[in-house]
Amino acid sequence: QKEVEQDPGPLSVPEGAIVSLNCTYSNSAFQYFMWYRQYSRKGPELLMYTYSSGNKEDGRFTAQVDKSSKYISLFIRDSQPSDSATYLCAMSNFTGTASKLTFGTGTRLQVTL
Amino acid sequence: SAVISQKPSRDICQRGTSLTIQCQVDSQVTMMFWYRQQPGQSLTLIATANQGSEATYESGFVIDKFPISRPNLTFSTLTVSNMSPEDSSIYLCSVEVVREGGYTFGSGTRLTVV
Repeated sequence: QKEVEQDPGPLSVPEGAIVSLNCTYSNSAFQYFMWYRQYSRKGPELLMYTYSSGNKEDGRFTAQVDKSSKYISLFIRDSQPSDSATYLCAMSNFTGTASKLTFGTGTRLQVTL
Repeated sequence: SAVISQKPSRDICQRGTSLTIQCQVDSQVTMMFWYRQQPGQSLTLIATANQGSEATYESGFVIDKFPISRPNLTFSTLTVSNMSPEDSSIYLCSVEVVREGGYTFGSGTRLTVV
């Protein structure tokens, strides 16, 4: 079993839809959770960084962490064609340069006009 | 956050040859990280490069295959040696974003071995 599971998609939604992207994990030691967006032929770009259970909002993006269920989500409201990309979840035991990130395989999202 | 320039952006190489990938950061950083991203698989950490000391390799990766240099606090190279088609992948360097959390990545090197 992988430490982090993420549905690879592809996920296709119409413009304006609410998108829900999810990851589950098995390592209860994970404390820090991140979401990255990766456009084609580009490196991953950090979208959200959260610690502990709860919600964190940034514009149209909301990251949600449920440690009891070992489940994290990224919600995108009013999705735009420019949101079409691969979204990667990542997590680590602690913060700092000694921490090691464990990534999901990524979900490919396509927002259509 | 730091800006990373990675070169080359892509290359097609013959098996048995080596390719050196360069990573330049616009600020001084303690550690630089090298990842591999294979199709349909998650990003996998190859090694951590600390200036002035030997790189630390993750399980499954060895120095003879992936030698790393870290001559100063803004630059690192990763060499993929004696390449085979199985080495075809995207290679990325990364640094920590200290104030914001998380990590910044370069745009990657897309390597195809034929």
